[in-house]
Amino acid sequence: AQKVTQAQTEISVVEKEDVTLDCVYETRDTTYYLFWYKQPPSGELVFLIRRNSFDEQNEISGRYSWNFQKSTSSFNFTITASQVVDSAVYFCALSGDGQNFVFGPGTRLSVLP
Amino acid sequence: DTGVSQDPRHKITKRGQNVTFRCDPISEHNRLYWYRQTLGQGPEFLTYFQNEAQLEKSRLLSDRFSAERPKGSFSTLEIQRTEQGDSAMYLCASSWAGSYGYTFGSGTRLTVV
Repeated sequence: AQKVTQAQTEISVVEKEDVTLDCVYETRDTTYYLFWYKQPPSGELVFLIRRNSFDEQNEISGRYSWNFQKSTSSFNFTITASQVVDSAVYFCALSGDGQNFVFGPGTRLSVLP
Repeated sequence: DTGVSQDPRHKITKRGQNVTFRCDPISEHNRLYWYRQTLGQGPEFLTYFQNEAQLEKSRLLSDRFSAERPKGSFSTLEIQRTEQGDSAMYLCASSWAGSYGYTFGSGTRLTVV
């Protein structure tokens, strides 16, 4: 069975602080895909990144960076110099076939001015 | 095309009534997915279509739930004899076969009173 754990239910930071959101996954598949989505108060899920299991290179996109460590089954997400607009619920998700996803419970990030 | 559209955005219904939601995917996407998200949780997979064929259904999709995509374009999700436990956000997403990652709609929030 596949499972995604996001141990941090809620995080509050002050603007310009760096923050890391943790994601730990379980799967028996040798090929799988990991994702991060952002859900702002408006409700839609916004795609942030996809990573396949064969690509362990870390990725940076502006203030966002992702650290994929297969050895610890983790796919952590860091926001550098956080901004108020980063406030949202962030979901980590896992898919073995790219068709149906298993989402984690989400981490609610509040960035205070 | 402005993305995945869902209608209505909000629905309040009395227990025992039937409700139907509609999803219009991105026009060139041939896959369409339904997810359910309860408060404080991540989305849970319900079902998906490739064109008009329903290819997978979750065990979460009880006999009271039915989804259709008659012409391979828009889809409807019907819940018969609603129960209070059906209260949730119902999310639709679409993708192109062979891609890994969805575009989500803003969801329909159902409240059963």
